[in-house]
Amino acid sequence: NAGVTQTPKFRVLKTGQSMTLLCAQDMNHEYMYWYRQDPGMGLRLIHYSVGEGTTAKGEVPDGYNVSRLKKQNFLLGLESAAPSQTSVYFCASSYGTRDGYTFGSGTRLTVV
Amino acid sequence: AQTVTQSQPEMSVQEAETVTLSCTYDTSESDYYLFWYKQPPSRQMILVIRQEAYKQQNATENRFSVNFQKAAKSFSLKISDSQLGDAAMYFCAYRSPLNAGGTSYGKLTFGQGTILTVHP
Repeated sequence: NAGVTQTPKFRVLKTGQSMTLLCAQDMNHEYMYWYRQDPGMGLRLIHYSVGEGTTAKGEVPDGYNVSRLKKQNFLLGLESAAPSQTSVYFCASSYGTRDGYTFGSGTRLTVV
Repeated sequence: AQTVTQSQPEMSVQEAETVTLSCTYDTSESDYYLFWYKQPPSRQMILVIRQEAYKQQNATENRFSVNFQKAAKSFSLKISDSQLGDAAMYFCAYRSPLNAGGTSYGKLTFGQGTILTVHP
């Protein structure tokens, strides 16, 4: 089925470890986004991309890096995980800027 | 910067009744889009309804409708004939197609969410 695929769905990390979350979409969407969801705070934008090879910072970028080497993939990296990065992470994409997003199913990350 | 506020952390409704979820937003732009998303316990984000700011007519999707008051910057969601499957977290969201520099990046700004409980 067409859509946005996020891997992994769950992960537990120790403080200081690194990991990469993968987001893949097969809808030829230009725009891709990474959000984190925390209780009482809604979804907050971490980084985004407006096309292949481009990335930019969102509201809460500290501690994260991203890459978009291919149009269909948007990777989110945590170089040195901290307990404050315990959250649910969502990837989303859209063709243009007037539509709603298509979301992935989310990744629950726990940093201990 | 745009902000979206959902003032009701939790709401409840009896099955088959009607419930309205509130949302207000702050913006100085004239061209924008508003959305309601549903997040059931499965965690999946599901688009419920979309409203274009330049359209005065309120959007409807089956049992879901909105009351869009542009001057008041209010965008409420009405769910009619509530069903058990409507129980979820609901997010209001704002999207502007352009940023101040004229380069589109179309960030969605979300409210804090409202948890809806449906009682049988």
